[in-house]
Amino acid sequence: ETGVTQTPRHLVMGMTNKKSLKCEQHLGHNAMYWYKQSAKKPLELMFVYNFKEQTENNSVPSRFSPECPNSSHLFLHLHTLQPEDSALYLCASSQDLPDRAGEAFFGQGTRLTVV
Amino acid sequence: GQNIDQPTEMTATEGAIVQINCTYQTSGFNGLFWYQQHAGEAPTFLSYNVLDGLEEKGRFSSFLSRSKGYSYLLLKELQMKDSASYLCAALDSNYQLIWGAGTKLIIKP
Repeated sequence: ETGVTQTPRHLVMGMTNKKSLKCEQHLGHNAMYWYKQSAKKPLELMFVYNFKEQTENNSVPSRFSPECPNSSHLFLHLHTLQPEDSALYLCASSQDLPDRAGEAFFGQGTRLTVV
Repeated sequence: GQNIDQPTEMTATEGAIVQINCTYQTSGFNGLFWYQQHAGEAPTFLSYNVLDGLEEKGRFSSFLSRSKGYSYLLLKELQMKDSASYLCAALDSNYQLIWGAGTKLIIKP
């Protein structure tokens, strides 16, 4: 496999459920990101990891919990979500920060629906 | 605050030329990026400008004016496959990408 792979592609969960999104990159990058994309809104940066260390947490509610066990894998753990959290969740990676931060490679995303 | 503005939607004809404008206001500036996103797919990197002027890459060109906080993406010889959303993003002083909401480009035969 090449590029950035996200699983699952689609997820429907109840507000009391716990689920995890997975992201894997095969590009040798050291920076990984979680973004939220809602219809007709700008991409919202949620979390940034550089060399497995979290460098940014953009005021994301604690019901979203990231995990980065190594430079190739990134998880987003979800619990007690709200219907307004329904969106496309995109994972991305880039070469080392900061020089190559703008050239990001995205996964296909997980379409999340909270019911 | 930080802000990126671009038109919501544009329509153009196959074979024609279209220019998608973007204005930005960010805390510091480390470059302007354009991405293409087809419906249901991941955004893909198109271009990068950090100095004033025009960068040409095949049918696509991107222009930057730092003094005006302005960029545009120029698409020539439009093809049906160019129907997509085009996202403008600026890299701020913290090297974080600040994104616009995207411009949906509709190509008609």
